[in-house]
Amino acid sequence: AQTVTQSQPEMSVQEAETVTLSCTYDTSESDYYLFWYKQPPSRQMILVIRQEAYKQQNATENRFSVNFQKAAKSFSLKISDSQLGDAAMYFCASTEVASGGYNKLIFGAGTRLAVHP
Amino acid sequence: GAGVSQSPSNKVTEKGKDVELRCDPISGHTALYWYRQSLGQGLEFLIYFQGNSAPDKSGLPSDRFSAERTGGSVSTLTIQRTQQEDSAVYLCASSFLGEKLFFGSGTQLSVL
Repeated sequence: AQTVTQSQPEMSVQEAETVTLSCTYDTSESDYYLFWYKQPPSRQMILVIRQEAYKQQNATENRFSVNFQKAAKSFSLKISDSQLGDAAMYFCASTEVASGGYNKLIFGAGTRLAVHP
Repeated sequence: GAGVSQSPSNKVTEKGKDVELRCDPISGHTALYWYRQSLGQGLEFLIYFQGNSAPDKSGLPSDRFSAERTGGSVSTLTIQRTQQEDSAVYLCASSFLGEKLFFGSGTQLSVL
């Protein structure tokens, strides 16, 4: 079965600084998607960034960027100029093609990010 | 509404009671997922619906769990004879193109 591993249960960063959250995954798929989701106390999962595995270029969304290393099956999230509103749980996820042929998201255990003023 | 709507937001129940959790997906989204998030854990896949196809129930943890989706829209997750280990946040998500999921705010279930 496919697995996603987030080895950092908790991280902290000073406001305006940069932090990197780690994620590794294990898949036998040749084509797949990778995601970072943010979950604030409201519980709603918010898509932060998405990477298509066949694309070499690392995805970027404003202050959020990824370092996608396909051979190493690594997908880290870098948050630049951290803001207090970035404090949340962050989940890494990858797609797995289920037996029915659809894409199922497999999630890591999450990293809780604290941002200090 | 524009997003995925889940109700109730919070549910407290006694052990042994049945509960129903509701999910109203984004209009036009054909795919609907249920996930469970236990305290301090990641999201665990429960069940998937796609259009009129037979659902993928492979993630349901026991036969006390069931779900249906009426008319290809609203879905209800039912847990019978609830146990304390069922306490978790139950998240619903919908999608149109398959790989981009939109989540609701979940139902926090507490079994006393």
